[in-house]
Amino acid sequence: GQQVMQIPQYQHVQEGEDFTTYCNSSTTLSNIQWYKQRPGGHPVFLIQLVKSGEVKKQKRLTFQFGEAKKNSSLHITATQTTDVGTYFCAPRDNYGQNFVFGPGTRLSVLP
Amino acid sequence: EAQVTQNPRYLITVTGKKLTVTCSQNMNHEYMSWYRQDPGLGLRQIYYSMNVEVTDKGDVPEGYKVSRKEKRNFPLILESPSPNQTSLYFCASRLVRGTEAFFGQGTRLTVV
Repeated sequence: GQQVMQIPQYQHVQEGEDFTTYCNSSTTLSNIQWYKQRPGGHPVFLIQLVKSGEVKKQKRLTFQFGEAKKNSSLHITATQTTDVGTYFCAPRDNYGQNFVFGPGTRLSVLP
Repeated sequence: EAQVTQNPRYLITVTGKKLTVTCSQNMNHEYMSWYRQDPGLGLRQIYYSMNVEVTDKGDVPEGYKVSRKEKRNFPLILESPSPNQTSLYFCASRLVRGTEAFFGQGTRLTVV
């Protein structure tokens, strides 16, 4: 079955520093979704990427889909305390029917 | 307000005592699913339903049952809970399979 890895597992940054999390799949993906879960909260959808090499931006967040459609990244510029939480990728491969969630990257932002 | 509602939010129960966690959505979504979240493992899908009376196993279905008699409701049933089912459970709905998921607030279940 599809194996999904996210690195790093944890990241502590000083407020204002940048942050990047990577999502890698063992299989070629049809598309990928990203979610954010605040501490004590539920996952909230951020974005979906579909095309090879696609780059999408949401304010300070930049999402990228790899050219080979086997990996993706989320980059946050100048982190703020409101960025604290766990970021999950949820890829869907070409054979599977469902999105499979990665283990997540937990981001802590020190003020 | 568009939402997915789960109940209860917290539950402590004893091994073997049947329980049901309810899930309801008001967005007329076709696709609903249940996940469990455990530290370091992300969200793992238990069961999903593509429409009324259509349900299928996810990645970790053992020990769980579901039903989808109405479009809005998708209850999760634990016939005989065991301590290894202690977890945080989320219900989610999607308009259809490939679209964004809307999650409920979660149910923290402890089985002693």
